[in-house]
Amino acid sequence: DAKTTQPTSMDCAEGRAANLPCNHSTISGNEYVYWYRQIHSQGPQYIIHGLKNNETNEMASLIITEDRKSSTLILPHATLRDTAVYYCIVRARDNFNKFYFGSGTKLNVKP
Amino acid sequence: GAVVSQHPSRVICKSGTSVKIECRSLDFQATTMFWYRQFPKKSLMLMATSNEGSKATYEQGVEKDKFLINHASLTLSTLTVTSAHPEDSSFYICSANRLARGFNEQFFGPGTRLTVL
Repeated sequence: DAKTTQPTSMDCAEGRAANLPCNHSTISGNEYVYWYRQIHSQGPQYIIHGLKNNETNEMASLIITEDRKSSTLILPHATLRDTAVYYCIVRARDNFNKFYFGSGTKLNVKP
Repeated sequence: GAVVSQHPSRVICKSGTSVKIECRSLDFQATTMFWYRQFPKKSLMLMATSNEGSKATYEQGVEKDKFLINHASLTLSTLTVTSAHPEDSSFYICSANRLARGFNEQFFGPGTRLTVL
């Protein structure tokens, strides 16, 4: 699976949009981009995933660049409960569903 | 939504004893489950893939005799840490795949905190 690079940490003001970047410059054509988050001492929670089109759901939006070498997760109105470590993972759809987690971004939402 | 549970949530044991951790898919069947380990302030590390009805497959560097995995049914996988030592103290997380929203979504359990004295 392709390696991903994310900033170690980011701060965001409550109520503002949080934009979390991820670089995956070696992504191949059959690999999807997944985002999960992990609140302290809990299991990871699925947020969103995409292949090449931008995606939106009730939690977030995912913007993937045209060359697919990077993506941005957008939390439109961050709340204190969004404070967590956010993981960007790229995985081939047929890779027996294995996930290899990188170091992630610690998002600190501040009042 | 789909729920994956783990039991126990916390366990403290003496060095040299074995500890069993259960992972259950509560409202769906999972032919494949995964076990992860997470040290403090570190990311999740995939340990092994648990396959119902067959042997688990382990990631490189993970001792299969140390971490015994049994996937006896479509809703239960167990991880046994044998002869536990303080360096095995960690947060153990399982996950299970379920076809949802048109793709194989991976649902994670809440984790089990193991402390070996």
